[in-house]
Amino acid sequence: AQSVTQLGSHVSVSEGALVLLRCNYSSSVPPYLFWYVQYPNQGLQLLLKYTTGATLVKGINGFEAEFKKSETSFHPTKPSAHMSDAAEYFCAVSSSYYGNNRLAFGKGNQVVVIP
Amino acid sequence: NAGVTQTPKFQVLKTGQSMTLQCAQDMNHNSMYWYRQDPGMGLRLIYYSASEGTTDKGEVPNGYNVSRLNKREFSLRLESAAPSQTSVYFCASRMGQGGYEQYFGPGTRLTVT
Repeated sequence: AQSVTQLGSHVSVSEGALVLLRCNYSSSVPPYLFWYVQYPNQGLQLLLKYTTGATLVKGINGFEAEFKKSETSFHPTKPSAHMSDAAEYFCAVSSSYYGNNRLAFGKGNQVVVIP
Repeated sequence: NAGVTQTPKFQVLKTGQSMTLQCAQDMNHNSMYWYRQDPGMGLRLIYYSASEGTTDKGEVPNGYNVSRLNKREFSLRLESAAPSQTSVYFCASRMGQGGYEQYFGPGTRLTVT
C-alpha cells in the first residue's frame, strides 16, 4: 500500500528564516507526489508536485522541493518565510497501485510564522 | 471558470436527519472525490468516481452514499446523520490518472448535534 509520513504536526519558523517541511513516502511502485497548502477556512490548493522527469521542482509562493528516490523523500523548502506562509500543508502520494486514481494524504503540518 | 463548487457552505443537522451535499465542476474532469477533514487526521477519502457511471468506496465509506449524476456533478448523501459525521467535507476533481493533481472545492462545514 502507499502512504506518506509527515513528521511534526506543528512547524514554527521565524519570519525571514528557512521553511522546511518533511514528507517521506512508502510506495512499491514509482510514485507521483503532491504538496497542497490550505489557508484558514479554504480548500486545498496545489503547492508543487513531482510526476516524472526533473527531480527538482518549483511551486507557488517561492517553494521548491527535490524528489529523492533513495531517501523516499519529497521535502519542500522556502528560503525566507513570510507571514503569509502561515497555513496547513499536506503531502500526498499517488501511484499505479491504485490505478493512479487515489491520493493518500499525510496528516498535515500546521506552519506558524513568528514575527 | 468557477472550478469546483460545493453547496451548502455550512449545515447543522440533528442526529438521524438526512441531507445531500452537492458538488459540481466545470473543468471537464473525469474523476471526482469526496473527503472528510478532521483535526489531526488529514484528509480521508470517503468515495470517489473514476469516471462518469462508476463509483468506489474509499477509506471511510460507512454512513455515506454517493451519486455521480453526470460528468459535472457528484453528490454525497448522509442517510441518518450521527455526531461522528461532524466534519469538514471537501469535494475534488481530477482530469485523469497518473500525475494529474486534484482540484478542491471550498468545503462544507457540517455539525451534527
